[in-house]
Amino acid sequence: QKEVEQDPGPLSVPEGAIVSLNCTYSNSAFQYFMWYRQYSRKGPELLMYTYSSGNKEDGRFTAQVDKSSKYISLFIRDSQPSDSATYLCAMSANTGNQFYFGTGTSLTVIP
Amino acid sequence: KAGVTQTPRYLIKTRGQQVTLSCSPISGHRSVSWYQQTPGQGLQFLFEYFSETQRNKGNFPGRFSGRQFSNSRSEMNVSTLELGDSALYLCASSLGVTPPNEQFFGPGTRLTVL
Repeated sequence: QKEVEQDPGPLSVPEGAIVSLNCTYSNSAFQYFMWYRQYSRKGPELLMYTYSSGNKEDGRFTAQVDKSSKYISLFIRDSQPSDSATYLCAMSANTGNQFYFGTGTSLTVIP
Repeated sequence: KAGVTQTPRYLIKTRGQQVTLSCSPISGHRSVSWYQQTPGQGLQFLFEYFSETQRNKGNFPGRFSGRQFSNSRSEMNVSTLELGDSALYLCASSLGVTPPNEQFFGPGTRLTVL
């Protein structure tokens, strides 16, 4: 079993929809949770960074962490065609910069 | 501020050859991590360097190695290339090693092994 599981999709939604992306994990030592966005032929770019359980909001993006269920989510409100990309969850324990990534969910927002 | 740069961007090699990839971190960043990205496995951690010392290593064979120089630039080397080494190799830099640390990724080097 992989340490981080993520539904690969693909996910296709109409413009303006609310998108929900999710990851589950097995290592209870994970404390730092991140969401990255990766456009085709580019490196991942950091979208959200949360520590431990709770919610964090940044513009149209909301990240949720439920450590008791080992489940994290990213919500995108009012989705735009420019949000079309692959979204990667990542997490780490308190061990420096060794991050564990999900395989990514491919999202297409249709105008 | 310039981002993470990786060279070369594309490489084609044949089985059995070796390859060296280069990464220049963001100015002032002292930690460099390397990842392999493939469609089936996603991003997998290779190793991390800080102040010229390897701090963490992922579950890859010894054919994969790396180093970091005093100016924080890093190189990774893959010897005796196999077809399965075809992947996007990503480098990420961070200020330090004490969490929380934001990792900033470069555009990657796409390696094709024939």
